[in-house]
Amino acid sequence: EPEVTQTPSHQVTQMGQEVILRCVPISNHLYFYWYRQILGQKVEFLVSFYNNEISEKSEIFDDQFSVERPDGSNFTLKIRSTKLEDSAMYFCASSTANTEAFFGQGTRLTVV
Amino acid sequence: GIQVEQSPPDLILQEGANSTLRCNFSDSVNNLQWFHQNPWGQLINLFYIPSGTKQNGRLSATTVATERYSLLYISSSQTTDSGVYFCAAINAGNNRKLIWGLGTSLAVNP
Repeated sequence: EPEVTQTPSHQVTQMGQEVILRCVPISNHLYFYWYRQILGQKVEFLVSFYNNEISEKSEIFDDQFSVERPDGSNFTLKIRSTKLEDSAMYFCASSTANTEAFFGQGTRLTVV
Repeated sequence: GIQVEQSPPDLILQEGANSTLRCNFSDSVNNLQWFHQNPWGQLINLFYIPSGTKQNGRLSATTVATERYSLLYISSSQTTDSGVYFCAAINAGNNRKLIWGLGTSLAVNP
């Protein structure tokens, strides 16, 4: 069964460092997303991406965040200068038009 | 924007018991999904159910879109059902972002 895969599963980084979280969406999906979940809280939308551009972003997704689809298979989230409050589980998801979104297993980011 | 509320926030069951989890949403939806978050934090798709009823083994779900709620039924619960159950919805319109409830934390005791 096709699935969304994310790497790494865990990432520990020092405050101020750049991190790149990687995702391989399901191959025939056209819409890609990043969500995050701070420990013990609900899942929050960060950004959606379609046709090689951002289609929607939340207030959380400020200038420190960027997304890219560098080739035909990967979808990345970059945090330029990490802060302690960026510590969270980051989920990548993908979907076709008007259907359910499928989620990767998540990357647990810890900023120290 | 749309609000998604789940109840109850916490639930403790004895193995073998049945339960019903509720999700209320404040506006019409294009998409409604139920997820199970396991102890490792992974989000497992349970149902894509903007309307109607679906069943998958011991789990079933019903969404009454006109009354803006969805129900997740768990029958003959097992300890492996423990975790957090999330409901998430996409508001009708052009956006595609899922808005999530706070979840129901379920513990099934042997």
